[in-house]
Amino acid sequence: GAGVSQSPSNKVTEKGKDVELRCDPISGHTALYWYRQRLGQGLEFLIYFQGNSAPDKSGLPSDRFSAERTGESVSTLTIQRTQQEDSAVYLCASSSDTYNEQFFGPGTRLTVL
Amino acid sequence: EDQVTQSPEALRLQEGESSSLNCSYTVSGLRGLFWYRQDPGKGPEFLFTLYSAGEEKEKERLKATLTKKESFLHITAPKPEDSATYLCAVQTTPNTGNQFYFGTGTSLTVIP
Repeated sequence: GAGVSQSPSNKVTEKGKDVELRCDPISGHTALYWYRQRLGQGLEFLIYFQGNSAPDKSGLPSDRFSAERTGESVSTLTIQRTQQEDSAVYLCASSSDTYNEQFFGPGTRLTVL
Repeated sequence: EDQVTQSPEALRLQEGESSSLNCSYTVSGLRGLFWYRQDPGKGPEFLFTLYSAGEEKEKERLKATLTKKESFLHITAPKPEDSATYLCAVQTTPNTGNQFYFGTGTSLTVIP
C-alpha cells in the first residue's frame, strides 16, 4: 500500500505566522511520530502517538508546538508564532506498534523568513 | 544521559573498498537498535533492527552487528548507489521511557 505522506513538501512563512503540517500514516499503523531535523543534524524527537493513549509530548521544544491525531489516521503538527530557529525539515513516521520499525514520510521543509 | 554517537561523520570510499560505520550508545535500557539510510531530500528508509548482543542481520552488501555498547554497519564492496547518510537509532525499554534517540549519521560517499 501507500507509504507515509506529508504535506506540504515545502513551506515558506514569515516570522510570527502560524503553520500546520500534515501527516498521513500507513493505514493500520497505530503509532505515529514527529521529528525535527535541522540542517546537518540528527533527528530530534518531538511527539509520539500510540493508539488512543495520551500522546508523549516530552520532545516538544516549547508551548508554541502542538500536535493532534484523529484516531489512528491523520496527524497535524502546528507551530504558532514561528521563529527563524524553527526552520528545519519536519519528518513524520508511523509504525505498526510501539516496538516495530518506523516508516518515514518525505518530510516538510519549513523555512521561516 | 541516554545518547547515541555515530562515527565517522563522513566517509569516502572507492567502489569495492569495504569498511564499517560505528554507532555507540549509552542508554538506561535497550529495547532495540535500528539502522536507517537517508538519501538527500528524503525521509529515512528502514534497514535493520537488532535486539540483543551478538545478533547480526544482512541485506545485500550491508551487515549490521550489535554488542552491548555499540553497533557496526559493515559495507562490503560498496557501489556508488550505496552513497547516502546512514542513521542509527536506539529505542529504550518501556520502563525507561520507551524513547527513540537518533545519532547524527555517517555520510557515505562511494566513488566510482
